Amino acid sequence: AQTVTQSQPEMSVQEAETVTLSCTYDTSESDYYLFWYKQPPSRQMILVIRQEAYKQQNATENRFSVNFQKAAKSFSLKISDSQLGDAAMYFCAYRSRNSGYALNFGKGTSLLVTP
Amino acid sequence: GAVVSQHPSWVICKSGTSVKIECRSLDFQATTMFWYRQFPKQSLMLMATSNEGSKATYEQGVEKDKFLINHASLTLSTLTVTSAHPEDSSFYICSARDPAGGLGDTQYFGPGTRLTVL
Repeated sequence: AQTVTQSQPEMSVQEAETVTLSCTYDTSESDYYLFWYKQPPSRQMILVIRQEAYKQQNATENRFSVNFQKAAKSFSLKISDSQLGDAAMYFCAYRSRNSGYALNFGKGTSLLVTP
Repeated sequence: GAVVSQHPSWVICKSGTSVKIECRSLDFQATTMFWYRQFPKQSLMLMATSNEGSKATYEQGVEKDKFLINHASLTLSTLTVTSAHPEDSSFYICSARDPAGGLGDTQYFGPGTRLTVL
């Protein structure tokens, strides 16, 4: 079974600064998807960014980018120019390409953004 | 983007009663929906995968007779918690897969339902 590990239970960043959230995963598969989801206090899960394992290029969505290191099985999220609205729980998730569509989530990182 | 709704957003019930939670994909047809459970300050745990027109697939440790799932149409899946007890109190979240969307492998999440069993 695949496991997703987020080793930072909490992180803090000042407004306008940059923060990186860590995620590692364990899998024997070569083809899969990785995601970062944001869960604000409203608890609505919001997709932040996704990465296909077969793509070498790191995904980018505006202020959010990932550092995907396939060999190291690492998938970190970088948030640039942090905003107060970025404060939330961030979950890293793995999905196998070949065995169903369910997501396997890490335990999450709580991000605090200070003015 | 694709929208998934859940109803009700919160419910309080007495121990021993049953509660039904609806999950709807509003602007796409979802052949597959998922039900997750989330305890406070914890991650989402997959309970079951719901496929339209067939029986749901439950994760290990999830009682299928207690958590009844019905995916009767391409836009609606329901989760019924039967004979609810206080330990069933939790936040239940559904998600739906849009196979025809631009991001065909992306799941879209409902806003969740907070269940409190007294």
